[in-house]
Amino acid sequence: DARVTQTPRHKVTEMGQEVTMRCQPILGHNTVFWYRQTMMQGLELLAYFRNRAPLDDSGMPKDRFSAEMPDATLATLKIQPSEPRDSAVYFCASGLGAVGQETQYFGPGTRLLVL
Amino acid sequence: QKEVEQDPGPLSVPEGAIVSLNCTYSNSAFQYFMWYRQYSRKGPELLMYTYSSGNKEDGRFTAQVDKSSKYISLFIRDSQPSDSATYLCAMKSSTGANSKLTFGKGITLSVRP
Repeated sequence: DARVTQTPRHKVTEMGQEVTMRCQPILGHNTVFWYRQTMMQGLELLAYFRNRAPLDDSGMPKDRFSAEMPDATLATLKIQPSEPRDSAVYFCASGLGAVGQETQYFGPGTRLLVL
Repeated sequence: QKEVEQDPGPLSVPEGAIVSLNCTYSNSAFQYFMWYRQYSRKGPELLMYTYSSGNKEDGRFTAQVDKSSKYISLFIRDSQPSDSATYLCAMKSSTGANSKLTFGKGITLSVRP
């Protein structure tokens, strides 16, 4: 049963610390998305990649957030320095990115709390 | 005004009720419409996918799109406690790799046994 995996599942950190979240997309999927979910804003797209190249990161605060895909099996989202307002659930999703293959498969999320 | 607006809820119904969930949108370029279901402490999963206007039925679920009114709905017949979850509408303007989804904030549904 192919699934998107995310680590860590939970993270508590102090303001100013670096946070790194990791995602392993489903094998064979070439499109990867990073979302942030809060009660106030709902689900917001931060960045997405196709074939490891960033297509759009306009939803991401550039001064503190960065997203990369070192290889096809790993996507990372970093926050440095972290702030309390970054507290949220961060989801990674992957898909085939082809016409007619629109489904995005979400991981279980990383719950981040910045104190 | 956000591009996609969804009733905030929460919504509580008795088992067996018909549930109607709705979203409105402002971007007339949206052509692809989806409903995702998200159980507590899980990631969203695709429930229904429709293109343009019309209805689509899948078991107890019916998705309806009215592009002239910029309004989409999800109907759940004979609701079950297992339907208790947050439902998010999502939509996009084009297909393929270079298109991105815009989500509603979601509505939490509780079906009472």
